[in-house]
Amino acid sequence: DAKTTQPNSMESNEEEPVHLPCNHSTISGTDYIHWYRQLPSQGPEYVIHGLTSNVNNRMASLAIAEDRKSSTLILHRATLRDAAVYYCILYQGFNTPLVFGKGTRLSVIA
Amino acid sequence: AAGVIQSPRHLIKEKRETATLKCYPIPRHDTVYWYQQGPGQDPQFLISFYEKMQSDKGSIPDRFSAQQFSDYHSELNMSSLELGDSALYFCASSKGYSGNTIYFGEGSWLTVV
Repeated sequence: DAKTTQPNSMESNEEEPVHLPCNHSTISGTDYIHWYRQLPSQGPEYVIHGLTSNVNNRMASLAIAEDRKSSTLILHRATLRDAAVYYCILYQGFNTPLVFGKGTRLSVIA
Repeated sequence: AAGVIQSPRHLIKEKRETATLKCYPIPRHDTVYWYQQGPGQDPQFLISFYEKMQSDKGSIPDRFSAQQFSDYHSELNMSSLELGDSALYFCASSKGYSGNTIYFGEGSWLTVV
């Protein structure tokens, strides 16, 4: 199974940008990079995903290294509501489930 | 927009009892996944169904079984409950089983006493 490595925890001030790193040195050509987050006492929530190019949506941006061995989830202005565990997942799709590893617990300070 | 509905939201059972959790996927979603999340743990994949057929199996105990019905809802049956089965159980759904976004329900809290 492809693996990802993320910091256990990070802290950010409110309204400042947050860069959440993820290393995935064993990524294969067919792996999509997915990010999900889990707010306290809630189910995981899709954030963003990409394959090779950087991606933007209303929640966040995803910057993917040229060699695809790492990626960074960018929250442009952290709010208290963004405090959650963020999971970087290599998702092959094609009859495989989403497998969660150890994510990054983001704390946002007012 | 309709989300994944799980019931019951909370359940308390005694050891050796049986519990059934239900999941109603988002309309027109044909794939259902079940996850277990113990206290302080990350979600662990249990089992998934695509078009009413089991498509993948994770760390689901033999005491547990699940199925997806003709209306695409799914049920997770847990028998001979143990204290260690106390966890938050998530159901998720997606359209197809080929990398599409997966949507999670709010979970069912199972407490075994």
